[in-house]
Amino acid sequence: SSELTQDPAVSVALGQTVRITCQGDSLRSYYASWYQQKPGQAPVLVIYGKNNRPSGIPDRFSGSSSGNTASLTITGAQAEDEADYYCNSRDSSGNHLGVVFGGGTKLTVL
Amino acid sequence: QVQLVQSGAEVKKPGSSVKVSCKASGGTFSSYAISWVRQAPGQGLEWMGRIIPILGIANYAQKFQGRVTITADKSTSTAYMELSSLRSEDTAVYYCARPLTYYYDSSGYPNFDIWGQGTMVTVSS
Repeated sequence: SSELTQDPAVSVALGQTVRITCQGDSLRSYYASWYQQKPGQAPVLVIYGKNNRPSGIPDRFSGSSSGNTASLTITGAQAEDEADYYCNSRDSSGNHLGVVFGGGTKLTVL
Repeated sequence: QVQLVQSGAEVKKPGSSVKVSCKASGGTFSSYAISWVRQAPGQGLEWMGRIIPILGIANYAQKFQGRVTITADKSTSTAYMELSSLRSEDTAVYYCARPLTYYYDSSGYPNFDIWGQGTMVTVSS
């Protein structure tokens, strides 16, 4: 199956902008989705498709993609944005109905 | 607003099986491809497979082929995930998740906007 690679940890100063990246061959064919997960909670979808936010997700969250890399950008990070972030996409190798997740990035807001 | 409500925590012996349920309430169920995703303690998310209840068609991640069975009961809007030959490495929180769009609209897959609350499965002798 495909693999998606994320940096294990990223930090950002309160109010600053941070970019979290996700790399993988499947991203050349499919968009990534992004999830925020706080301790003890289920993941929450924050970005999907080209750059779409579900209802209720603040507009400081945005997404972009180029080649084999997808990015989640938080513009003006808030304390409540401290969480783990995961990307996913469809599997582009073999099982195209399959789903692959990145390993996750732990975001610390300083 | 649709909710996915999962069954409670389980403690299992190595070599046994576990069956976790995921009941949808407040919305449509059968026309979505319901996925199962697990998360070992301190680890990332791992997709296990999915089912389209209205078709009864399941699809599994290669890693779990032969060991996982995903089924659904349309009449009760409930999906099930059964994992057999359990080992300690299967200790994890198991989630069901529903994507944004019906199964025939691939634009909404795999954007999982609705998740169950998770079911902790502990495998220990």
